[in-house]
Amino acid sequence: QQQVKQSPQSLIVQKGGISIINCAYENTAFDYFPWYQQFPGKGPALLIAIRPDVSEKKEGRFTISFNKSAKQFSLHIMDSQPGDSATYFCAAVSGAGGGADGLTFGKGTHLIIQP
Amino acid sequence: DGGITQSPKYLFRKEGQNVTLSCEQNLNHDAMYWYRQDPGQGLRLIYYSQIVNDFQKGDIAEGYSVSREKKESFPLTVTSAQKNPTAFYLCASSPLGSTDTQYFGPGTRLTVL
Repeated sequence: QQQVKQSPQSLIVQKGGISIINCAYENTAFDYFPWYQQFPGKGPALLIAIRPDVSEKKEGRFTISFNKSAKQFSLHIMDSQPGDSATYFCAAVSGAGGGADGLTFGKGTHLIIQP
Repeated sequence: DGGITQSPKYLFRKEGQNVTLSCEQNLNHDAMYWYRQDPGQGLRLIYYSQIVNDFQKGDIAEGYSVSREKKESFPLTVTSAQKNPTAFYLCASSPLGSTDTQYFGPGTRLTVL
């Protein structure tokens, strides 16, 4: 059973456009939702994260929108740049038990920003 | 220079052989994790450890084993029982009081010949 569903699988956006990646979760115990950015051959790096007590979080060109009732969250990349081309993963974790039982990841979105 | 190191970067194994992947961190993190990444599959949790000498199975532990004899080290052994071991393996760590923020190493790509 896939607990975090991510879409689209791949995405092509023109430079300067808005990239939008969506995730949906099933486990209502999840209480922390990070996004990771991964370049080819590298480990994922934490990009931005949100907790369900807020509906939006913005850091520079990156924004997470969170809809608790729909159990959905999304990543928006404003003014997308070629350097943003990477694979993006959404994830979720439950704080119950200390949260140390690992993140549940979506399957990833391969983003290409065309110059 | 703090961080997580994984070695080797590339590893080749013959069928039927066990192989051990190294993961070391100097971040003083209590929790450590091993994930497996396959194309189009995201990251799947193999094993995790919250403290020294204790570890728990993740979602896909079959065919793998780990040890946690030191806080800084969490090696993963891919045994011959793992049916499809070719993958990209990622180690991560986090402070125990903030286990939702995980920091990843650069990964080891294992190929079975």
